[in-house]
Amino acid sequence: EVQLVESGGGLVQPGESLRLSCVASGFTFTPYTINWVRQAPGKGLEWISYISGDYRRIFYSDSVKGRFTVSRDNAENSVYLQMDSLRVEDTAVYYCTRDMSYIKFEPWGQGTLVTVSS
Amino acid sequence: QSALTQPASVSGSPGQSITISCTGTSSDIGAYNYVSWFQQHPGEAPKLIMSDVSVRPSGVSNRFSGSSSGTTASLTISGLQAEDEADYYCASYTSFRTVVFGGGTKVTV
Repeated sequence: EVQLVESGGGLVQPGESLRLSCVASGFTFTPYTINWVRQAPGKGLEWISYISGDYRRIFYSDSVKGRFTVSRDNAENSVYLQMDSLRVEDTAVYYCTRDMSYIKFEPWGQGTLVTVSS
Repeated sequence: QSALTQPASVSGSPGQSITISCTGTSSDIGAYNYVSWFQQHPGEAPKLIMSDVSVRPSGVSNRFSGSSSGTTASLTISGLQAEDEADYYCASYTSFRTVVFGGGTKVTV
């Protein structure tokens, strides 16, 4: 079964850091770009970052640029999202998703909740 | 990069057809035929239901169809069913090599 599983969410205070993981299984991981998409409570989807399979293409949304860093380890079938200087407005469920080609995002993980609060 | 513009809600009766619009700019929808649509039921992860403006993934009902003209893409659901009640999001690739989502549309049947 093609699957992505996120982990690493939790409750942190503003200004703190958190590292999310996304582990893939059921498919050959290396060729695929992996995206991170978040959803604040009761709000819509927001794209935040992607990393290509060859590590060459990395892009961020303006809302997280300079604070979040995406990386991957193809040997471990994993993608990571290092989130620094977290803000209250970063509170959201964070999803990772495979890009089959130009935003054919499937599948999606189940999401991991990040809560930033004092 | 501003979010694509979708109506907040659309409603219809069972069996009817509805259309959800998604308006962008010349830097996203107007620049590429890379528009996808996602369906999200409460408490679930989003699901891809349309890509490349009008291509349905395997397993998605042919009651869903997509189109695009200029800077506006559209998703039409025909023969509306109770199970179609969900949130729908459009997304587009952009000339900045990023991705932008719409604000989402709640469909009520």
